[in-house]
Amino acid sequence: EAQVTQNPRYLITVTGKKLTVTCSQNMNHEYMSWYRQDPGLGLRQIYYSMNVEVTDKGDVPEGYKVSRKEKRNFPLILESPSPNQTSLYFCASSRFGTGELFFGEGSRLTVL
Amino acid sequence: AQSVTQLDSQVPVFEEAPVELRCNYSSSVSVYLFWYVQYPNQGLQLLLKYLSGSTLVESINGFEAEFNKSQTSFHLRKPSVHISDTAEYFCAVSQGDNFNKFYFGSGTKLNVKP
Repeated sequence: EAQVTQNPRYLITVTGKKLTVTCSQNMNHEYMSWYRQDPGLGLRQIYYSMNVEVTDKGDVPEGYKVSRKEKRNFPLILESPSPNQTSLYFCASSRFGTGELFFGEGSRLTVL
Repeated sequence: AQSVTQLDSQVPVFEEAPVELRCNYSSSVSVYLFWYVQYPNQGLQLLLKYLSGSTLVESINGFEAEFNKSQTSFHLRKPSVHISDTAEYFCAVSQGDNFNKFYFGSGTKLNVKP
């Protein structure tokens, strides 16, 4: 089954404790991206990657890092989480040139 | 940067009634337009998209949207809604040749009542 898998699905953590949200896709897509969803704001793009070792900032990259060492994986790293990063996070992938995003089920992160 | 506006945060409608969800975007330069649907506790799924060609695009479940360049709009319509259409709908815009950057609206919750 074609899918985008995120882990963990739910996480409660404390300010400053580094965490990583993993994202993996099995569709051999070149493009992957991360979004955060907040009430009344819709989805905002954090980072995207056009291919292995190629990443770039979206609209709200502050406080986040990403890496793309393998085509299937695109982890989101919060080096020092803060309460304003409490949000619902989505990873998505796409075949190059189609514009159709395939989303994971989301990771709900709470930073206390 | 692009901005996407969905003026209606919630739209209540009775089953079998028509519905229109509105979407406007800020720049018409080389844009590609999408509607995504999000069912409760799920990720988003593509409903329909406009890349080029006919300005009227349709989905497999009866939704349609029309690209209007002069009004910078991409409204979503359905002539007769079902209970199962209850979900949140997001309009999205991508710019550039590589679909690398995406801008989403704030979403419209469609609540279909029996």
